Amino acid sequence: AQTVTQSQPEMSVQEAETVTLSCTYDTSESNYYLFWYKQPPSRQMILVIRQEAYKQQNATENRFSVNFQKAAKSFSLKISDSQLGDTAMYFCAFMKLSGGSNYKLTFGKGTLLTVNP
Amino acid sequence: KAGVTQTPRYLIKTRGQQVTLSCSPISGHRSVSWYQQTPGQGLQFLFEYFSETQRNKGNFPGRFSGRQFSNSRSEMNVSTLELGDSALYLCASSSSSVGEKLFFGSGTQLSVL
Repeated sequence: AQTVTQSQPEMSVQEAETVTLSCTYDTSESNYYLFWYKQPPSRQMILVIRQEAYKQQNATENRFSVNFQKAAKSFSLKISDSQLGDTAMYFCAFMKLSGGSNYKLTFGKGTLLTVNP
Repeated sequence: KAGVTQTPRYLIKTRGQQVTLSCSPISGHRSVSWYQQTPGQGLQFLFEYFSETQRNKGNFPGRFSGRQFSNSRSEMNVSTLELGDSALYLCASSSSSVGEKLFFGSGTQLSVL
């Protein structure tokens, strides 16, 4: 079974600064996706960024980028130029691509990020 | 395009009752999956449906069941409610044959008294 660990329950950052959220995972699979989702107070889970395990290049979406270290099973999220609207719970998630589990996400416990003005 | 719609937003039930939650996926999406979110256990996968067939199921008791209709709308049912069933229930839909991007609704907050 896969496990996802987020070791930082809470973090805070000043507006316009950069913050990095950590995530490690454990799997014996070779083919999988990794995701970061954010959940603001509205409770809706919003996809922030996705990384395919077979790609060595780190994914980037505007101010959001990841540092994917496959051998170390590490998948951190960097948020640049933090904005007040980035305040949310952030979840790291794993999806294996085999055995009919293509739609099953395994989530970490989350990191509550607060952006301060 | 309308997003994933879950109804109702809030629900209060008493122990022993049953409850049905509804999820309408994004138009054209054929896969619907359900997750339970609690402060203690976090987010846990319940089950996933594709073209009216359950393809994947998480580790939940048989009191939790679901179904999907021909228009891809899905319902989730919990029978004989227990206090521990109090949670946010999230529905997600996807169009890709591989899965990948799941789009979530805002959830149904269920409180069992």
